[in-house]
Amino acid sequence: EDQVTQSPEALRLQEGESSSLNCSYTVSGLRGLFWYRQDPGKGPEFLFTLYSAGEEKEKERLKATLTKKESFLHITAPKPEDSATYLCAVQSTYNQGGKLIFGQGTELSVKP
Amino acid sequence: DGGITQSPKYLFRKEGQNVTLSCEQNLNHDAMYWYRQDPGQGLRLIYYSQIVNDFQKGDIAEGYSVSREKKESFPLTVTSAQKNPTAFYLCASTFPGLAGVEQFFGPGTRLTVL
Repeated sequence: EDQVTQSPEALRLQEGESSSLNCSYTVSGLRGLFWYRQDPGKGPEFLFTLYSAGEEKEKERLKATLTKKESFLHITAPKPEDSATYLCAVQSTYNQGGKLIFGQGTELSVKP
Repeated sequence: DGGITQSPKYLFRKEGQNVTLSCEQNLNHDAMYWYRQDPGQGLRLIYYSQIVNDFQKGDIAEGYSVSREKKESFPLTVTSAQKNPTAFYLCASTFPGLAGVEQFFGPGTRLTVL
């Protein structure tokens, strides 16, 4: 069964304190791994897609990496505006209809 | 501007009522999805549709119904059979045939049972 687990559930950082969020997955053939940012009361906003182990993508203070079993979202020198819930999702080669399997999310809080 | 709209933003339901949540997209996407989000949990798939006049159950379809009469629209009805409908509902769309293409999400509807 395809499954996604994110850790930690919540993370509190001081402004400028770099850290990483983890997304562990099991999937019967990875078609893509997705990272989203979600602000309270809003819909998720797409950040990155990773397709194969070893791939890395960057956007401002965020960098996503992928191995065969997990993905990391590295946050370098975070600012308070980076506070949000970060969601990880996978798409399996074998499931139809472009369905995504989501983890439960990591709630990030960055204090000034 | 292209995007996904959901309405209403907030919805209140009395016990025993059916309510319908609207989702419209002008992205020309073939596939549309409905998710439910509860506090501290990830998104769970309710229903999805890959083409007009066709849709499939997701993981938690009981107590919900959908229709797909137009490519742009995918309304979700929460029926009285759904015992715990209070949640945040999200609609999404994408091109399902392209490998690894992301889903785009609407702003969500928060449903509260009174």
